[in-house]
Amino acid sequence: EAQVTQNPRYLITVTGKKLTVTCSQNMNHEYMSWYRQDPGLGLRQIYYSMNVEVTDKGDVPEGYKVSRKEKRNFPLILESPSPNQTSLYFCASSFIDRSAVGGANVLTFGAGSRLTVL
Amino acid sequence: SQQGEEDPQALSIQEGENATMNCSYKTSINNLQWYRQNSGRGLVHLILIRSNEREKHSGRLRVTLDTSKKSSSLLITASRAADTASYFCATGGFKTIFGAGTRLFVKA
Repeated sequence: EAQVTQNPRYLITVTGKKLTVTCSQNMNHEYMSWYRQDPGLGLRQIYYSMNVEVTDKGDVPEGYKVSRKEKRNFPLILESPSPNQTSLYFCASSFIDRSAVGGANVLTFGAGSRLTVL
Repeated sequence: SQQGEEDPQALSIQEGENATMNCSYKTSINNLQWYRQNSGRGLVHLILIRSNEREKHSGRLRVTLDTSKKSSSLLITASRAADTASYFCATGGFKTIFGAGTRLFVKA
């Protein structure tokens, strides 16, 4: 089954304790991205990657790191989590539609990771 | 930054009625997408409309795009209780930007 898998699904941690949220996709997609969702703010993009070793900042990258060493994996790293990073996080992946101006992405989302930082 | 803004923020209708949601955006686009999210779960892609298209259909979904007004609408016909979800418009390519969403509640 084609899917994007995130782990953990739920996590409660404390301020300053480094954590990693993993994301893996089995569709051979080039493009992967991380979003956070907060009430009233919709989804905001944190980082995205267009291929292995190619990453770029989204709208809210502060406090996060990513890496793309393999095509299928795109982990999100919080080096020193703070309470304002309490949120619902989504990983998404897609093919890059080179026939469309702007490379239209039809995103496949993971189920989400709910993170609470105390 | 939020490119798309949905209107209304929330909508409650009876099963069988049509539901219309609107999306406005600020800058020029190449395409616009609509996604659905069931409570707290991952978003699911519904439909993509390109900037040179004015209307697109998929099952009970009808999407329109007016680039002169920088707006799009999503119409769900003959709604069902299972359509209860949040609906988001999204623009952009690699930096896809989502609106805040419309929460639709369909009463059985």
